[in-house]
Amino acid sequence: QSALTQPPSASGSPGQSVTISCTGTSNDVGAYKYVSWYQQHPGKAPKPIISEVNKRPSGVPDRFSGSKSGNTASLTVSGLQPEDEGDYYCTSSAGNNILVFGGGTKLTVL
Amino acid sequence: EVQLVQSGAEVKKPGESLRISCKASGYTYTSFWIVWVRQMPGKGLEWMARIDPTDSYINYSPSFQGRVTLSVDKSSSTAFLEWSTLEASDTAIYYCARYGNYYMDVWGEGTTVTVSS
Repeated sequence: QSALTQPPSASGSPGQSVTISCTGTSNDVGAYKYVSWYQQHPGKAPKPIISEVNKRPSGVPDRFSGSKSGNTASLTVSGLQPEDEGDYYCTSSAGNNILVFGGGTKLTVL
Repeated sequence: EVQLVQSGAEVKKPGESLRISCKASGYTYTSFWIVWVRQMPGKGLEWMARIDPTDSYINYSPSFQGRVTLSVDKSSSTAFLEWSTLEASDTAIYYCARYGNYYMDVWGEGTTVTVSS
């Protein structure tokens, strides 16, 4: 299984929206609705922010939203806030109870 | 409160063996898989493997098959990640996470493993 493809970086000003893509194949992202997203701040453990393509775990602001089309999933952060700066990772089921991560995207709030 | 508490940082030499742990509390241990994730210095997250505490059934990522061994002790609600022969390239932070409802919903704080001669 190859890693899912994410842009290495993304940026936006406070209040703006930014979308991060996560491209896989018909064997992972395209085959399953089990795409999730994680936020990681420096020196901290990852935190889940989206599950099953577009579900927000309890406590996650509704500024975070997810979607999927074909082999590409997307995370949109609306109304950017300074605390949204960090690394974002997607993951998808890849069959046979195996998961695969994306390479990660560093989000900068300008 | 649902928690995963991982063992402390380790410094080892190449060729040595190591077992790190992940102790769960606050939920029914056998109801959720445990996943292990590697993060090498300055790099992204890599999914290593998952274990079902009910029956110890394991799925490994092809990248980690044969390099590490997973196990659980149901009596203490603890999962383990083990190396028989460490290499410098095993230097990383290792996270355990609970896998429920199709995502990793609770994470441990990570265990830093440093392998250096």
